[in-house]
Amino acid sequence: EVQLVESGGNLVQPGGSLRLSCVASGFTFRTYQMTWVRQAPGKGLEWVSYISGSGSTIYYADSVKGRFTISRDNAKNSLYLQMDSLRAEDTAVYYCARFDILTGFDYWGQGTLVTVSS
Amino acid sequence: DIQLTQSPSSLSASVGDRVTITCRASQNMDIYLNWYQQKPGKAPKLLIYAASSLQSGVPSRFSGSGSGTDFTLTISGLQPEDFATYFCQQSYNTPPWTFGQGTKVEIK
Repeated sequence: EVQLVESGGNLVQPGGSLRLSCVASGFTFRTYQMTWVRQAPGKGLEWVSYISGSGSTIYYADSVKGRFTISRDNAKNSLYLQMDSLRAEDTAVYYCARFDILTGFDYWGQGTLVTVSS
Repeated sequence: DIQLTQSPSSLSASVGDRVTITCRASQNMDIYLNWYQQKPGKAPKLLIYAASSLQSGVPSRFSGSGSGTDFTLTISGLQPEDFATYFCQQSYNTPPWTFGQGTKVEIK
């Protein structure tokens, strides 16, 4: 059974940093593309970042480019999102999701809440 | 960036009804359109991928159609567990991969 479990969400002040983690199980992690998707309270879904299976290709949404860094450790079946220079508008539930161009985001974690507030 | 416009934004329906949700894209996306269901406090769940392919484990009352710029999600025989918010999403070409604004299906 495919499982994705996020952690690391917390309350942080504007300008602060946070590192999210996602541990995968039930599939061969290194062969799959992975992403982060977020959802602000009461709002829709926003794709945040993408990383290929090997980690060689990375993309970011314009809204987080230069502030967020995605990475993965295939030996640990883990995906990460380093979030720096956080803003109030980054407040959201962050989901890690497995991705494929044809099948979309086919498996999601339960999400972890990031709140940016003073 | 490709913009996706869903309609309606919300609808009220009864158990057993046939429900149709549409998603219009700002440019041709071939069949790279997916549909998700989200219930309050839960992660989205993939229902339909590549416009019309049913994800494993999803009931056959869910179906998708369309290509290019116009797509449809149909629920044939709405069940109590289907009351939720539905999102379309495109994965055409390079990112950003965008979502529609969502359609909330409520009980009449």
